[in-house]
Amino acid sequence: AQSVSQHNHHVILSEAASLELGCNYSYGGTVNLFWYVQYPGQHLQLLLKYFSGDPLVKGIKGFEAEFIKSKFSFNLRKPSVQWSDTAEYFCAVNGNTDKLIFGTGTRLQVFP
Amino acid sequence: EPEVTQTPSHQVTQMGQEVILRCVPISNHLYFYWYRQILGQKVEFLVSFYNNEISEKSEIFDDQFSVERPDGSNFTLKIRSTKLEDSAMYFCASSEEVKGEQYFGPGTRLTVT
Repeated sequence: AQSVSQHNHHVILSEAASLELGCNYSYGGTVNLFWYVQYPGQHLQLLLKYFSGDPLVKGIKGFEAEFIKSKFSFNLRKPSVQWSDTAEYFCAVNGNTDKLIFGTGTRLQVFP
Repeated sequence: EPEVTQTPSHQVTQMGQEVILRCVPISNHLYFYWYRQILGQKVEFLVSFYNNEISEKSEIFDDQFSVERPDGSNFTLKIRSTKLEDSAMYFCASSEEVKGEQYFGPGTRLTVT
């Protein structure tokens, strides 16, 4: 069965620190990969997605993610976080069907 | 920018009652989904819907659940006889293409007492 693991459940950073959130998935076939963000009191919004091509994808608000097929990973990065990045971040995949399989989410708190 | 909308934002119901959660997907989207998130747990897929038919459903989506697109705009999730364990946030999503980007609504918080 497909599954997604996010190893960091709660991350606390100071502004300007660098961020990397881990995401690993289990599925042997072709996958589409997504990172969604949920700001406090708001709905899930797409940060970035990978379907094919360049494994380094850039998303909104300075986020990027790298698909490493050999490691079944799709880690999210940002070189310098801001207080406004405080949110919950979800990694998701779809494989043989279009349903999204989500990870458990990572809560990011950024302090000024 | 077009958005997925959901009503109500919060629904409180008694165990055994029927509830209908409503969603208005983005107008040119063809693929529709319901997900739920029990407090403290991950977002889980319930059902996908295309061309007026269920495409796929999860184990959670048993006979107590049904979906409908009663007109050209609404997409509803009905729970016939709610249980305490149905308490969760329910998210509707829509997509323009299969396996494409899914746009999520703000969710309906369902509380079953």
